[in-house]
Amino acid sequence: DAKTTQPTSMDCAEGRAANLPCNHSTISGNEYVYWYRQIHSQGPQYIIHGLKNNETNEMASLIITEDRKSSTLILPHATLRDTAVYYCIVRASNSGGYQKVTFGIGTKLQVIP
Amino acid sequence: NAGVTQTPKFQVLKTGQSMTLQCAQDMNHNSMYWYRQDPGMGLRLIYYSASEGTTDKGEVPNGYNVSRLNKREFSLRLESAAPSQTSVYFCASSKDRYGYTFGSGTRLTVV
Repeated sequence: DAKTTQPTSMDCAEGRAANLPCNHSTISGNEYVYWYRQIHSQGPQYIIHGLKNNETNEMASLIITEDRKSSTLILPHATLRDTAVYYCIVRASNSGGYQKVTFGIGTKLQVIP
Repeated sequence: NAGVTQTPKFQVLKTGQSMTLQCAQDMNHNSMYWYRQDPGMGLRLIYYSASEGTTDKGEVPNGYNVSRLNKREFSLRLESAAPSQTSVYFCASSKDRYGYTFGSGTRLTVV
């Protein structure tokens, strides 16, 4: 699995868009980009994933560069409840196969009132 | 759906004691995983099971054993607990290209 690089921490004003970057320059063609977040000491929660097209769901948007070497998670209107650690990982999609993935330390997003 | 259920939520052990952390999922997922999380270390993979009947070591398997009892259940056993195993343990499951679903964690303290 490709490794990812994220900033250790970021701040965002409440109500503004939070843009969390992730570098995955060694990503392979069959690897998806996934984002998770971990609020306080709860289990990580899936947010969104994508292969090469931009994706949007009720929680966030995912922008993947054309060369797929980096991506940005966008929380359009950050709230205090979005304060969490955000993890960017890449993993292949093998039907029926395992996905052994290691999560890094992620980005600690602090939403400021 | 309950998703991924872990028991117990909290546990205190004395050094040398043994215990089993239980994990069950009701989503018909093929793959299951055990992670540990320590301050400043992120999530590290202990063991995983690609499918029922198979298990493999992750990054930090020493001191642990696992059992994939059936498709639903994946347990983690500490045969002789050590203070270095004080951590938060998360179980997760996944199916094909879909994301992981994590349990709420077991907070283990070894004194």
